[in-house]
Amino acid sequence: DIQMTQSPSFLSATVGDRVTINCKASQNINKYLNWYQQKLGEAPKRLIYNTNSLQTGIPSRFSGSGSGTDYTLTISSLQPEDVATYFCLQHNSGPYTFGAGTKLELK
Amino acid sequence: QVQLQQSGAELAKPGSSVKISCKASGYTFTSYYISWIKQTTGQGLEYIGYINTGSGGTNYNEKFKGKATLTVDKSSSTAFMQLSSLTPDDSAVYYCASLGARGFAYWGQGTLVTVSS
Repeated sequence: DIQMTQSPSFLSATVGDRVTINCKASQNINKYLNWYQQKLGEAPKRLIYNTNSLQTGIPSRFSGSGSGTDYTLTISSLQPEDVATYFCLQHNSGPYTFGAGTKLELK
Repeated sequence: QVQLQQSGAELAKPGSSVKISCKASGYTFTSYYISWIKQTTGQGLEYIGYINTGSGGTNYNEKFKGKATLTVDKSSSTAFMQLSSLTPDDSAVYYCASLGARGFAYWGQGTLVTVSS
């Protein structure tokens, strides 16, 4: 199975900050990497698919980048409504695997 | 709009089975596979498997073979997951999600399964 190592596990930032979250795969996943946001008590919501494609309706402050084994989610200017847990998903090969999550809070 | 509506919370005894449903609306049901995902505080998110909503063919994560059985009823646009021989380790929130070439797109609201005597 492909292991997804996500960092950091916890992040505290101020409104307006640029925030980055990373996922590292144990092998090349050919850019088949998605990012999801999960707010407390809610289902996950897809933000980014296939590394850098923004899901319809998601604010443009969210962006993704990466290739090979290393991928990044960037929030260009943190907003209060971005408080949530973020996790990555590789769907290059089965079984699909998730990162452990990054809990993002406001400082 | 695309919606996946899951059945309600379940309280089950060890050794029993539960069957969770996931009713799709807002799109052509057979356009996407339906996947199932387990979420716990300790293990995070785990992929269970998917069902081809057109053919009924299935693919399981080896870890969940023998534990989960996926079925589908095209006539009602509903997918089902049965969990058998339940133990406390099966206590979790279970999600269904539509699966296409872009990974998991839309998710159900989740179903809490609690296994306790």
